[in-house]
Amino acid sequence: DTAVSQTPKYLVTQMGNDKSIKCEQNLGHDTMYWYKQDSKKFLKIMFSYNNKELIINETVPNRFSPKSPDKAHLNLHINSLELGDSAVYFCASSQGGYNEQFFGPGTRLTVL
Amino acid sequence: GEDVEQSLFLSVREGDSSVINCTYTDSSSTYLYWYKQEPGAGLQLLTYIFSNMDMKQDQRLTVLLNKKDKHLSLRIADTQTGDSAIYFCAEPDSSYKLIFGSGTRLLVRP
Repeated sequence: DTAVSQTPKYLVTQMGNDKSIKCEQNLGHDTMYWYKQDSKKFLKIMFSYNNKELIINETVPNRFSPKSPDKAHLNLHINSLELGDSAVYFCASSQGGYNEQFFGPGTRLTVL
Repeated sequence: GEDVEQSLFLSVREGDSSVINCTYTDSSSTYLYWYKQEPGAGLQLLTYIFSNMDMKQDQRLTVLLNKKDKHLSLRIADTQTGDSAIYFCAEPDSSYKLIFGSGTRLLVRP
C-alpha cells in the first residue's frame, strides 16, 4: 500500500544512453512533481504536473521529458545522459496548493 | 528570487535538545515547512507553521517563526538516535513550488 512509488530504485548507465524513471501514486492526488537532489543534498524542483498538464517547468535541459499518461503516473525520460545527470531523483504528489507533498523513495541515477 | 538558507551540520548528544535554524526571503510565504530525510529515503513532512503563528508545538517538536527577521527554527526536545537525519526547511513561492534549504544534517551521539 505504498503511497508514492518509483522504479527503479537504482539505475547505473553509460553516458549517452536514454533511460526512463517511473512514478506512481495511489493517493488520488491531482498534482505530481519531479525533484533532483545532487550529491550535496541540494533539492530542486524540475517539473510539476496537474491533472496530466505541465504547470511548472524549471530551467531543465530539454533532454529531460516528463510524461503523465494519467493522474496517477508521472514518468521521466532522459535522453543522451551526461555525467552531471548523476543524482537522486524524487517523485512527489499532493492535492496541489499548499497541501503536503508526499515523496517517493527516490531513484539513484549514476552515469558512468 | 526566493532563497532559503540553513546551517549544514549539527551534532548533539542523545537526550539533549537540538535546534535547527533556517532563514528565508519571501515575506509573503503563507506556510513554512520542515521535512525530514532519513538515510536512503525520501522526504517526509515533519511539521509546518502558518505564517500568522509565532510558535507551534507538536510533542517533542517546537517550531518558532520570527517574521520580522524571516527566521524559522525547529527544536527537537530529548533528541534520540532515531532523529539522526537531514532536516530541510521549505517555503512555497507564488506558484506553490517548494523552495528547499540546503538541509541540516543532524547527528545524534549516544
